Amino acid sequence: EAGVAQSPRYKIIEKRQSVAFWCNPISGHATLYWYQQILGQGPKLLIQFQNNGVVDDSQLPKDRFSAERLKGVDSTLKIQPAKLEDSAVYLCASSLDGSGGPAFFGQGTRLTVV
Amino acid sequence: AQSVTQPDIHITVSEGASLELRCNYSYGATPYLFWYVQSPGQGLQLLLKYFSGDTLVQGIKGFEAEFKRSQSSFNLRKPSVHWSDAAEYFCAVGEMKTSYDKVIFGPGTSLSVIP
Repeated sequence: EAGVAQSPRYKIIEKRQSVAFWCNPISGHATLYWYQQILGQGPKLLIQFQNNGVVDDSQLPKDRFSAERLKGVDSTLKIQPAKLEDSAVYLCASSLDGSGGPAFFGQGTRLTVV
Repeated sequence: AQSVTQPDIHITVSEGASLELRCNYSYGATPYLFWYVQSPGQGLQLLLKYFSGDTLVQGIKGFEAEFKRSQSSFNLRKPSVHWSDAAEYFCAVGEMKTSYDKVIFGPGTSLSVIP
């Protein structure tokens, strides 16, 4: 069974540039999560999708971050413009449905903003 | 809103010794509780979870955790640690919303294992 796929694995950009991350969840998983993990901290939920609808984006900095999940399958997270404090690992996770939390995580995308 | 604390930032144990990682949560109702492990260069992996019922939960890789409502704790234990257990461990608590569960992670405990 294929796991949660994320790309790219690493990205270095200058501040004020834009960047996009892609995630393909496990086939059939209705719930998709994006977490931000700053070095030395636990993951922080940015946005949670149930199929192609958003159920929680309360901690997403909406002035610069956006995410979409077209057709309820794969998802893209975008940052525009990036700030130095956005340097982190961005983790995508999926689960069969909205109950029980994230079951499977991808390897993450490490973003460095210089 | 729920929250999670992990009092120990870093723990070092000898290989073969027993392990207990502490986790305390704050939540008004009966919570969902989780432990995840993050090995170097790896993604997060779910070790075990508690929803209801038996307060002693068995997980993968020989880990178990015990839910103690009176202490608001969900400590992770392993009777004999292996060198491959060196990793970052995250406790998490789930809040039941109307149509989904929102999971909040603690700050993590880093485990080092001495050969």
